[in-house]
Amino acid sequence: AQKITQTQPGMFVQEKEAVTLDCTYDTSDQSYGLFWYKQPSSGEMIFLIYQGSYDEQNATEGRYSLNFQKARKSANLVISASQLGDSAMYFCAMREGLRRGANNLFFGTGTRLTVIP
Amino acid sequence: EPEVTQTPSHQVTQMGQEVILRCVPISNHLYFYWYRQILGQKVEFLVSFYNNEISEKSEIFDDQFSVERPDGSNFTLKIRSTKLEDSAMYFCASSTRSTDSRPDTQYFGPGTRLTVL
Repeated sequence: AQKITQTQPGMFVQEKEAVTLDCTYDTSDQSYGLFWYKQPSSGEMIFLIYQGSYDEQNATEGRYSLNFQKARKSANLVISASQLGDSAMYFCAMREGLRRGANNLFFGTGTRLTVIP
Repeated sequence: EPEVTQTPSHQVTQMGQEVILRCVPISNHLYFYWYRQILGQKVEFLVSFYNNEISEKSEIFDDQFSVERPDGSNFTLKIRSTKLEDSAMYFCASSTRSTDSRPDTQYFGPGTRLTVL
């Protein structure tokens, strides 16, 4: 089974509108972390936002917020007031077993977001 | 703001040749990672490195791959005899130690695009 599932290969949003990018995850660990990264066409991976499994509140970072629904195992990224520069590939990732030291990230297949002027 | 750097940005090599990809992690980070992304596919974990030894590796990281921290700043990935299917973007990442309440965030370098001919 896939640990991270992103079901939207591509999304379009009008400039200044909000958009939600979906992410569901699969783990049996009680402690885990969920991350979103942005990959512009230049190729680098830019960290956006983090949500811990024990965090009681949804994470927010500027225009980015995370709609974390633990029972549904979903961690959707919400981008408010979309800008043209938001056009990029967005990856959801998970790190399991937070207390076991260095652990790799499992990535989803990504969602390509296009912001329309 | 400190960042992970990688050199070269693009490497072209002939099948069967050895390549060394170089990374300079963020200076106070303790955990180092290599990931790869085949064109159009998701990011895949290769290996993590802590305290001068490999802490985890994936099935992809076979005997053709090795990692080294030759000095206090560089972290290298060596592919001994490249194959066509090694063509990919290779990302280095680094992170600090996790705490009980918050895991490390892995910060990625800009990547090295490896093309094997």
